[in-house]
Amino acid sequence: DAGITQSPRYKITETGRQVTLMCHQTWSHSYMFWYRQDLGHGLRLIYYSAAADITDKGEVPDGYVVSRSKTENFPLTLESATRSQTSVYFCASSEGNPSDEQYFGPGTRLTVT
Amino acid sequence: GQNIDQPTEMTATEGAIVQINCTYQTSGFNGLFWYQQHAGEAPTFLSYNVLDGLEEKGRFSSFLSRSKGYSYLLLKELQMKDSASYLCAVMDSNYQLIWGAGTKLIIKP
Repeated sequence: DAGITQSPRYKITETGRQVTLMCHQTWSHSYMFWYRQDLGHGLRLIYYSAAADITDKGEVPDGYVVSRSKTENFPLTLESATRSQTSVYFCASSEGNPSDEQYFGPGTRLTVT
Repeated sequence: GQNIDQPTEMTATEGAIVQINCTYQTSGFNGLFWYQQHAGEAPTFLSYNVLDGLEEKGRFSSFLSRSKGYSYLLLKELQMKDSASYLCAVMDSNYQLIWGAGTKLIIKP
């Protein structure tokens, strides 16, 4: 299917476990982003990528790892999940210019117990 | 620090007009975005302003004043489906989006 997809859509995990959230886009967009959204806060940027093999930290990168070996995939890994990482995670992509609109995936609701 | 302020919640009547304000203080400015987010769904793009003035797109318009650090989103002829959160986001000097917490708009019949 065309567009941007995320998996899983819902995940419950325990403190200390490693979790990987997947993001896949079919537009060959250069830029990809990971955000978290918490009640009372705006979206906060975790990591972003300008192209394959190029990634950079956003506002809240601690406890997260990303990779981008292929243009279409941008997985986000929580190395050792903590309760404070309970959140809704959105992946987004955009075309070559940073000022282009971002297209968001449907989100992953992660609960860390 | 960087800050985006917008009202937490607004209520309006179906068929009416509503204006959602956004003020910002950021390190640099490379444009302001408005997104719509229905409950439980992903944000979707509404508008982008980088120059001062009003941009009109159907029932939705967005205004920007860079000197005042101010924008508003104007929604006309409100429909029940416009019940959603409206997110203001500013692109800073590093070309990263700084997001407001969003304004939840409730439409009453």
